[in-house]
Amino acid sequence: GQNIDQPTEMTATEGAIVQINCTYQTSGFNGLFWYQQHAGEAPTFLSYNVLDGLEEKGRFSSFLSRSKGYSYLLLKELQMKDSASYLCASMDSNYQLIWGAGTKLIIKP
Amino acid sequence: IAGITQAPTSQILAAGRRMTLRCTQDMRHNAMYWYRQDLGLGLRLIHYSNTAGTTGKGEVPDGYSVSRANTDDFPLTLASAVPSQTSVYFCASKMVAGDGTDTQYFGPGTRLTVL
Repeated sequence: GQNIDQPTEMTATEGAIVQINCTYQTSGFNGLFWYQQHAGEAPTFLSYNVLDGLEEKGRFSSFLSRSKGYSYLLLKELQMKDSASYLCASMDSNYQLIWGAGTKLIIKP
Repeated sequence: IAGITQAPTSQILAAGRRMTLRCTQDMRHNAMYWYRQDLGLGLRLIHYSNTAGTTGKGEVPDGYSVSRANTDDFPLTLASAVPSQTSVYFCASKMVAGDGTDTQYFGPGTRLTVL
């Protein structure tokens, strides 16, 4: 079957670094996406990885290991506005996205 | 307009009623999607359309129908609403590039309550 696992909730301190992990198992693999979703709003695209390694984009970085079925999103210099849910999604062989339930990130001052 | 719009923003509906959720995009994207999002669950695909004139079933299609008469519009219809269809519905679209890098862009969502 197809499955995406990520922690339900994480708490971090403003200014710190947090890593949100995601493991995936899908029928075929065409890349791993991370989206951010603030409460009551639509998901917005953060990153896409299809090759192994780290992709850095400002304060956010995303890592992929295809052999391990594993990805993480790294957020640096946390700001209060980073409080949101972070959704991991794997693109399967039909180019459809299979979504995790999301990780709610709480930032404390 | 720019991007994807959805209507209505929210709706309370009596069970058994018919309801159409509207979705319009002006980005000339060829693929469009309908998802539902429920607490504790990931986004679940209801129906999709890879191009105007074609549609396909997603993970949870029962009780829903869609049509894609043109590139811009992708309405979702609940023929006879039931309380289990209470959810937040998101429409999304993307330009299919064929290399897997296609990013989906989401509308603001419709919050539907079926009583």
